[in-house]
Amino acid sequence: QKEVEQNSGPLSVPEGAIASLNCTYSDRGSQSFFWYRQYSGKSPELIMSIYSNGDKEDGRFTAQLNKASQYVSLLIRDSQPSDSATYLCAVDPGNTGKLIFGQGTTLQVKP
Amino acid sequence: GAVVSQHPSWVICKSGTSVKIECRSLDFQATTMFWYRQFPKQSLMLMATSNEGSKATYEQGVEKDKFLINHASLTLSTLTVTSAHPEDSSFYICSARPGGLPLAKNIQYFGAGTRLSVL
Repeated sequence: QKEVEQNSGPLSVPEGAIASLNCTYSDRGSQSFFWYRQYSGKSPELIMSIYSNGDKEDGRFTAQLNKASQYVSLLIRDSQPSDSATYLCAVDPGNTGKLIFGQGTTLQVKP
Repeated sequence: GAVVSQHPSWVICKSGTSVKIECRSLDFQATTMFWYRQFPKQSLMLMATSNEGSKATYEQGVEKDKFLINHASLTLSTLTVTSAHPEDSSFYICSARPGGLPLAKNIQYFGAGTRLSVL
């Protein structure tokens, strides 16, 4: 079992819709969770960090964490074509200071 | 804020030569920097953790004598790919974690990456 799992997609949504990206992780001791966006040929860009159960909102982005079920999700409201990218879920398992990345979900927002 | 500069962005070299990649945190001090490698269509794989003033910690399967890491100051880490071969061609990305944050707040900011092509 991979430590951090994501559906590779592609996930295709129409412009203006809500995109929902999911991630599961295996280490129950994980305390830090991150979503990064990576455009093709570019390096990852931090979108959200979340540390506590529940929702965290920042603009059009909402991160949701459920430690009991070991999943973290990212919702993107009012999706725009510029949101088309690969979204990487990253987890710090066991509070080690390292990040383990999922394989990423490719999001396509169609005009 | 939180800018990480990485140079060069693209390098082409002949097989057998060495290549040095620099990673600098421009507006914060980073006691810890990380080096990742990413092959096409794959996710980031952590190669090593670089701590200022001490030896780097390498992940399993990463050759420490081939990938030399030096973290000489709180704002600079370098990765040298020694005797590069075509199979070392990849996208190398560094990240830096601001000092002073608790370990539980493991935010990392990434450099722009270096695309290495070994002929």
